[in-house]
Amino acid sequence: GIQVEQSPPDLILQEGANSTLRCNFSDSVNNLQWFHQNPWGQLINLFYIPSGTKQNGRLSATTVATERYSLLYISSSQTTDSGVYFCAVEPVGNAGNMLTFGGGTRLMVKP
Amino acid sequence: DSGVTQTPKHLITATGQRVTLRCSPRSGDLSVYWYQQSLDQGLQFLIQYYNGEERAKGNILERFSAQQFPDLHSELNLSSLELGDSALYFCASSAGGWNEKLFFGSGTQLSVL
Repeated sequence: GIQVEQSPPDLILQEGANSTLRCNFSDSVNNLQWFHQNPWGQLINLFYIPSGTKQNGRLSATTVATERYSLLYISSSQTTDSGVYFCAVEPVGNAGNMLTFGGGTRLMVKP
Repeated sequence: DSGVTQTPKHLITATGQRVTLRCSPRSGDLSVYWYQQSLDQGLQFLIQYYNGEERAKGNILERFSAQQFPDLHSELNLSSLELGDSALYFCASSAGGWNEKLFFGSGTQLSVL
């Protein structure tokens, strides 16, 4: 099956710093989503971004489908950004939301 | 709040028992998905229902079954429980079940003792 690798696995930032999280995948995809799992365990959908660039406030994401990677940018980080960020993909040929999740990037933002 | 409701939030049971997890999708969503999150396996897709019909199956054990009812809520039944079934079980929903944004409930934490 498709492989999804996220880097770095862990990240510690000072409040106000910027960061870039990366997601590499091993096959062509037609569905890519970024999620934030907060310290209470809730999974929040940040972006649906199979290609191109999107922005939502301090967060933005870019997917370069031809090169099989996606980036999540967090600017001016806040303590509430702490948690685990997951990239999830579905390979071309599947129809639906049978997402394969990466291992996540655990982010801690210190005040 | 994603609009997806899962009950119960926590469930503690013993090996060999059977439990039922319940999920109500967002208003208007026709697709319901079940995912399992465990420390060793990470987040894994279990099964998808679309408008009452099973649409896709992932790494779901034979001891597990699910269904989606006419009012679109879904139930995940876990039987002959083993210690290794302890995990966080998420329900998610989407509008049509194709390539679109997925919204997750807050999960049911299952502990098998």
